[in-house]
Amino acid sequence: AQKITQTQPGMFVQEKEAVTLDCTYDTSDPSYGLFWYKQPSSGEMIFLIYQGSYDQQNATEGRYSLNFQKARKSANLVISASQLGDSAMYFCAMSSPSGGYNKLIFGAGTRLAVHP
Amino acid sequence: GAGVSQSPSNKVTEKGKDVELRCDPISGHTALYWYRQSLGQGLEFLIYFQGNSAPDKSGLPSDRFSAERTGGSVSTLTIQRTQQEDSAVYLCASSLIDNDEQFFGPGTRLTVL
Repeated sequence: AQKITQTQPGMFVQEKEAVTLDCTYDTSDPSYGLFWYKQPSSGEMIFLIYQGSYDQQNATEGRYSLNFQKARKSANLVISASQLGDSAMYFCAMSSPSGGYNKLIFGAGTRLAVHP
Repeated sequence: GAGVSQSPSNKVTEKGKDVELRCDPISGHTALYWYRQSLGQGLEFLIYFQGNSAPDKSGLPSDRFSAERTGGSVSTLTIQRTQQEDSAVYLCASSLIDNDEQFFGPGTRLTVL
């Protein structure tokens, strides 16, 4: 079964510190994609970063990086130098052939609060 | 150009009424998706359209839910005989091709009284 697990319902971080949001996934497909989205209180889903299962290097996008550990089936999001505007819900998601490449399977999300 | 747009942004209806939610994808995007997000939950896939192919309706929770996509662009999600458990935010997304980054609209918050 295709599944995404985010075990941290809520996280706190001090402004300018780094924070890691955990994500583990379950799939038997050799090829899959992993995504992170941010959802501020306004409700829109904002794409942050993507990691393909065959990508040799961890994905990075500005202050976001994805710590991809394939053997452990984890795809943790690292946010460096946290800003107050980073306070939001963060969702990890996966697409895979068995799950239907045409849909994303989402985790339950982690609410991040950045404190000044 | 413009992002994915959805209307209305908020909809309050009475139990038993039908509602229609609209999604206007990014121009040129061939794939369109509908998701539902209940309060405090992650997103739940509902339906997917790709070009002229038959839609993937595997996520629709009941036969009260239906969707169509006219002319390969605008999509309408219809919920008939709404129930209180249908209350949620309905999000639409589009992507240029399959298995590509999905761009989400702002969602429609549906409240069934």
